[in-house]
Amino acid sequence: GENVEQHPSTLSVQEGDSAVIKCTYSDSASNYFPWYKQELGKGPQLIIDIRSNVGEKKDQRIAVTLNKTAKHFSLHITETQPEDSAVYFCAASLGAGSARQLTFGSGTQLTVLP
Amino acid sequence: GAVVSQHPSWVICKSGTSVKIECRSLDFQATTMFWYRQFPKQSLMLMATSNEGSKATYEQGVEKDKFLINHASLTLSTLTVTSAHPEDSSFYICSARQWSGRDTGELFFGEGSRLTVL
Repeated sequence: GENVEQHPSTLSVQEGDSAVIKCTYSDSASNYFPWYKQELGKGPQLIIDIRSNVGEKKDQRIAVTLNKTAKHFSLHITETQPEDSAVYFCAASLGAGSARQLTFGSGTQLTVLP
Repeated sequence: GAVVSQHPSWVICKSGTSVKIECRSLDFQATTMFWYRQFPKQSLMLMATSNEGSKATYEQGVEKDKFLINHASLTLSTLTVTSAHPEDSSFYICSARQWSGRDTGELFFGEGSRLTVL
């Protein structure tokens, strides 16, 4: 089955700096890669996703890149703000047309220091 | 985006009792819902896949007689923790796949339910 590894487990950055979180996956058939933000005591919230037919996707301060050959994808947050502090999870799945569920990474605790 | 609602958001119960958690898709139909368990500072662990009108599919190591899942309608799935024990204390989260004639693979999560068994 799919295995997703996520690094780093914790990340502290100064407000205004960029943050990068990286994930690798094992199943080359995976084609859907979402990123979730989870605040304390709440459920995960989808912040951005990417499908295997594109290499990069951007939404304001958040961007995700995908390298299918190397089987890794990354989340980039620019101009970080204190409200970006949360746990971020990457995930992978076969996506559309499949009943397979998401496989999550282990999470990254991001702390943005004011 | 689509909204998934969980209830209750937190519950405290005595050991040996049963607790029911509801997961509702508020503005869309969800033929498939998923139940996860999350321990502090850990990732989400899939417990089972719930399909409307059929039996749930449980992940390896998850006791189906202890964690009863019912998905009786396209907007509601329930998880019942039977004969709860302190080790069942955890954060339970559901998610639903939005279906609008095209399965995009996107999942939307509920806010989670914190269960504490005394």
